[in-house]
Amino acid sequence: GIQVEQSPPDLILQEGANSTLRCNFSDSVNNLQWFHQNPWGQLINLFYIPSGTKQNGRLSATTVATERYSLLYISSSQTTDSGVYFCAVGGRGGADGLTFGKGTHLIIQP
Amino acid sequence: GAVVSQHPSRVICKSGTSVKIECRSLDFQATTMFWYRQFPKQSLMLMATSNEGSKATYEQGVEKDKFLINHASLTLSTLTVTSAHPEDSSFYICSATLPGGYGYTFGSGTRLTVV
Repeated sequence: GIQVEQSPPDLILQEGANSTLRCNFSDSVNNLQWFHQNPWGQLINLFYIPSGTKQNGRLSATTVATERYSLLYISSSQTTDSGVYFCAVGGRGGADGLTFGKGTHLIIQP
Repeated sequence: GAVVSQHPSRVICKSGTSVKIECRSLDFQATTMFWYRQFPKQSLMLMATSNEGSKATYEQGVEKDKFLINHASLTLSTLTVTSAHPEDSSFYICSATLPGGYGYTFGSGTRLTVV
């Protein structure tokens, strides 16, 4: 099956810093999403981004499908950004489940 | 919109008993739902795909007789953990395909503890 690798596995930053999280995947995909899992376990959908670039406030994401990677940018980090960020990929327009990477555990210190 | 509600959020049961977890799509019809399991400090692993009106498709290594999935309507899928044992303790999360097929939305998860 498809492999998803995320880096870095852990990241500790001071409030106000910027960060870049990376997701590499081993095959072409029809679906790629970035999620933030909060301390209660809820997965919050950040971006649906199988290709191209999107921005939402302080967050933006870019997927280069031909090179099989995606990047999540977080600017001006806040303590509430802490948590685990997952990249997940899938195919077949929603008929298949997602394959998740192992996540990046982000800690933003005040 | 496109909210998935999952209940219960937390359950503790005795070893050998069965537990049912419900996943409902509140404002859309979900012909396909998915069940994932997440062990502490690990990633989510797909357990099974649930299609309305048909049998679920289980991932390799998932015991279909232990994890019974029913998707009897377009808004409800249930996961029953039968004869639960402590090793079944985990965080179970359901998901549904968003209308239009553009991504997935997730329930809030169920933390199962078997004692």
